[in-house]
Amino acid sequence: QKEVEQNSGPLSVPEGAIASLNCTYSDRGSQSFFWYRQYSGKSPELIMSIYSNGDKEDGRFTAQLNKASQYVSLLIRDSQPSDSATYLCAWTTSGTYKYIFGTGTRLKVLA
Amino acid sequence: GAVVSQHPSWVICKSGTSVKIECRSLDFQATTMFWYRQFPKQSLMLMATSNEGSKATYEQGVEKDKFLINHASLTLSTLTVTSAHPEDSSFYICSAPGLAGVNGELFFGEGSRLTVL
Repeated sequence: QKEVEQNSGPLSVPEGAIASLNCTYSDRGSQSFFWYRQYSGKSPELIMSIYSNGDKEDGRFTAQLNKASQYVSLLIRDSQPSDSATYLCAWTTSGTYKYIFGTGTRLKVLA
Repeated sequence: GAVVSQHPSWVICKSGTSVKIECRSLDFQATTMFWYRQFPKQSLMLMATSNEGSKATYEQGVEKDKFLINHASLTLSTLTVTSAHPEDSSFYICSAPGLAGVNGELFFGEGSRLTVL
């Protein structure tokens, strides 16, 4: 199975700081990339999707994709305690129906 | 956005019994649904792909006779854990691609926490 690597953390940042989450993937055929947030005991919810190289901003969140280097990242500006959760990166490969998830990074935003 | 509903949200059963989990797409049709399993502090692991009107596709290492999947309609997929054992205790989550298709966003059900005594 193609792999997605994430630092499991926990990543601790103070409230108001920028949290940076990274994900590397091994399959160059991957085309669609996603960041999901999962609170403890809950299902994942979509934060960002990104399909082309570069940055994509949505409110306090910025996703960055670099297909040549095979990494995707998520920046969270002005981090809030409510952002404390596990963040999962995921990707799909064109022509398949499989979404592969990374191991997740646990983020703690300290008040 | 599309809504996926999962039931039950939690279930406790005795070892050796079977448990059925339902996954419904409420406001869209889902010809494909995915079943994931998540153990504590681990990521989501794809168990199988459920296809409406045809057999499910199981991932390597997942016993198809133990985890029965039925996708009888465009809005309902069920996962039955047969002869459940304590090691089957986990968080089971279903999902479906939205209108953007299989390379778009996945919509997740609320998850079902199974505890086998």
